[in-house]
Amino acid sequence: GDSVTQMEGPVTLSEEAFLTINCTYTATGYPSLFWYVQYPGEGLQLLLKATKADDKGSNKGFEATYRKETTSFHLEKGSVQVSDSAVYFCALRRGGSYIPTFGRGTSLIVHP
Amino acid sequence: DTAVSQTPKYLVTQMGNDKSIKCEQNLGHDTMYWYKQDSKKFLKIMFSYNNKELIINETVPNRFSPKSPDKAHLNLHINSLELGDSAVYFCASSQDSSASVVEQFFGPGTRLTVL
Repeated sequence: GDSVTQMEGPVTLSEEAFLTINCTYTATGYPSLFWYVQYPGEGLQLLLKATKADDKGSNKGFEATYRKETTSFHLEKGSVQVSDSAVYFCALRRGGSYIPTFGRGTSLIVHP
Repeated sequence: DTAVSQTPKYLVTQMGNDKSIKCEQNLGHDTMYWYKQDSKKFLKIMFSYNNKELIINETVPNRFSPKSPDKAHLNLHINSLELGDSAVYFCASSQDSSASVVEQFFGPGTRLTVL
């Protein structure tokens, strides 16, 4: 079956540090890939997505590239802020599937 | 102008009670979902409805019963609450149930505490 594996957290960084959160997936066919972010006390919201191989999704300074050869969709940001502290979820969705598959989430803590 | 709303935001109750959580979306979406998030932030799909019909029912105790009176609402009723039901419950919706490219829109969550 489909699966998404994320690096375990928490990831703790100082402000302005470079961020990478690793995500790899297993799925048949050609899924779309997503990163969702959950700020404290809130629901998940879409951060970015990519729908085919070599696509790059980007939003709010975050980027992720759909790498089919390595089945990966790593999230990166060049300079994190305290306000980026949140839980980040990698997810995939196949065509014809009614529900997406979520990773377990990675908590990011950014210190001033 | 909230897209997906849930009530209540917090729910504290005793074991054995029955409670309901309401969800409404004003996005015109066809598909709605209920998720349970545990204390380690793990998200588990519970139910999915498409146009008021149940399409996904994961392994969930039958004490949990979803009700969809119309396309914009998906309520969750829980009978005989147990300690292990304590969690945050999220409602979500999406435009099309089967296309891979669509995103989900989540509500703010309902934190259920069973004492």
